[in-house]
Amino acid sequence: DTGVSQDPRHKITKRGQNVTFRCDPISEHNRLYWYRQTLGQGPEFLTYFQNEAQLEKSRLLSDRFSAERPKGSFSTLEIQRTEQGDSAMYLCASSPATGDVNEKLFFGSGTQLSVL
Amino acid sequence: DAKTTQPTSMDCAEGRAANLPCNHSTISGNEYVYWYRQIHSQGPQYIIHGLKNNETNEMASLIITEDRKSSTLILPHATLRDTAVYYCIVQIYNQGGKLIFGQGTELSVKP
Repeated sequence: DTGVSQDPRHKITKRGQNVTFRCDPISEHNRLYWYRQTLGQGPEFLTYFQNEAQLEKSRLLSDRFSAERPKGSFSTLEIQRTEQGDSAMYLCASSPATGDVNEKLFFGSGTQLSVL
Repeated sequence: DAKTTQPTSMDCAEGRAANLPCNHSTISGNEYVYWYRQIHSQGPQYIIHGLKNNETNEMASLIITEDRKSSTLILPHATLRDTAVYYCIVQIYNQGGKLIFGQGTELSVKP
């Protein structure tokens, strides 16, 4: 169990640029989640995948945001035409999705995005 | 929307028990109470969860009142490394598994 891995850890970009983040879940975890967290707030749910299918998207996920999980393993989150309001920590989590009541989410350490 | 109410912040002396309260007065019969914590610059980490009965694991104990409208997370011997934001979450398990976080309680363990 190597944990959930996110890359990069930090990203600084200029307003209007596109950015892409990557998340590698724990091996054989078929559910993958993206969250966004701003300073002083709890994480906010953005979207989740069951294998390669994107099953739910939050209203927070504007048209400039797109997430993919093409082969049901790693996932990418792309933000187009970044705005200063996109500055946040982007967290990825995975779970085995066994339906077991004891199931829990495992989070990565996040990608900190700063839009200048 | 978060369905829980937690104090914004709490202090605890190192070595003493930390008791973190959570109100969830609108909890329904099939919703579990989950606790996660987030240490600065890291992702949230699972601590414990329960439905009706009190639960204990190597990290903490969870006490749920008989009416299930509130609960308390107990860290029996708090250390400086327990300084973190603690989130109490109620949800039906297997509902996509997603968690809806509130603002949590910032626990400061002081020497």
